[in-house]
Amino acid sequence: DTGVSQDPRHKITKRGQNVTFRCDPISEHNRLYWYRQTLGQGPEFLTYFQNEAQLEKSRLLSDRFSAERPKGSFSTLEIQRTEQGDSAMYLCASSPTGGQGGYTFGSGTRLTVV
Amino acid sequence: QQQVKQSPQSLIVQKGGISIINCAYENTAFDYFPWYQQFPGKGPALLIAIRPDVSEKKEGRFTISFNKSAKQFSLHIMDSQPGDSATYFCAASSAGRRALTFGSGTRLQVQP
Repeated sequence: DTGVSQDPRHKITKRGQNVTFRCDPISEHNRLYWYRQTLGQGPEFLTYFQNEAQLEKSRLLSDRFSAERPKGSFSTLEIQRTEQGDSAMYLCASSPTGGQGGYTFGSGTRLTVV
Repeated sequence: QQQVKQSPQSLIVQKGGISIINCAYENTAFDYFPWYQQFPGKGPALLIAIRPDVSEKKEGRFTISFNKSAKQFSLHIMDSQPGDSATYFCAASSAGRRALTFGSGTRLQVQP
């Protein structure tokens, strides 16, 4: 399977704990995106990387959130001091250079903060 | 600020019927309009997309109709099948930005 891979698929954590999610994009895609999706809503943009450079961040990405893509391949999204409002599906997507959209999404990491 | 409004929230269609989902946008800078299909437990998958220089695009049973002056676009699913039962999202982005703005989704149920 050469799609976008996300790990873990599910994460349950206690409020106040830190969590980290990993995304492995399609290997030839140099653009990587993180989105958050809450139940019954469409995905909301969080941040975007081109290679290792983080080029755009949403105001939704508070200072408790940080994303990295150190070698321009996989990416991690860390949430510090989790809150119940952070409970959501965190989706990663990748796309090739050139054009707009054409995203391939992963199946997401479902975070539950208790 | 919800920049892409999607309706209806849910839709029930008989097998073989036509499913129609509508979206309206506010930002006139948007110039790329994709539709995504999402099954439970999966990420959204790109179905079809259109740019505002054409008024219609068809791929198989899926058609996008685009009305630039009204700032509206719609997805038509012809000959709807039970396997089409999923949540559908419209989205939009503007040149120079990679972020997609999604609608709130339409849950489609196709009854056999």
